[in-house]
Amino acid sequence: SAVISQKPSRDICQRGTSLTIQCQVDSQVTMMFWYRQQPGQSLTLIATANQGSEATYESGFVIDKFPISRPNLTFSTLTVSNMSPEDSSIYLCSVGRGGVPDTQYFGPGTRLTVL
Amino acid sequence: KQEVTQIPAALSVPEGENLVLNCSFTDSAIYNLQWFRQDPGKGLTSLLLIQSSQREQTSGRLNASLDKSSGRSTLYIAASQPGDSATYLCAVIDTGTASKLTFGTGTRLQVTL
Repeated sequence: SAVISQKPSRDICQRGTSLTIQCQVDSQVTMMFWYRQQPGQSLTLIATANQGSEATYESGFVIDKFPISRPNLTFSTLTVSNMSPEDSSIYLCSVGRGGVPDTQYFGPGTRLTVL
Repeated sequence: KQEVTQIPAALSVPEGENLVLNCSFTDSAIYNLQWFRQDPGKGLTSLLLIQSSQREQTSGRLNASLDKSSGRSTLYIAASQPGDSATYLCAVIDTGTASKLTFGTGTRLQVTL
């Protein structure tokens, strides 16, 4: 398994500002992902955080809006830029080591409210 | 594009009952299927993972089955307890998608005293 922490756990932000969310894992992992969970919805993958290179974004998500860094195998950040109320969601990072059985583990999430 | 659906969306049962949660997926070319539990305001807890070559997995009072050819999985919870109240999510990793999970819509379970 893996122990994952996220900071901040929650925040209330003003429209037009940006927030950076941190994800820290207690051991090196191959894969790190960022998901969004909008109110009352299931989880949607934003991007795969690649160590030492640009993140791989899913359809509907762009780097200018959600820049991601992954400087090493235990840490990643997601920035939500130029926020609007529609960005109010829970943002979760997950990690996996690939291979078999490829279990993924999730952080506690960051609850973001944009006013 | 893979789509994952869970039925029912919400379920309320009295304590002690056995129950079944259903998950269906449209593309049977999956690498594995994972069941998670989400408590209000919390992250996800992994419950069970079934590889595509497996038929079922068990952990305590939980049993998950997988019928890949028909695109279905079930999560069986025996002797339900109020502490089982949570939202249950199933998610699949499609073959060749580098560990990316596609999540279902979730089933909100309430176990009453």
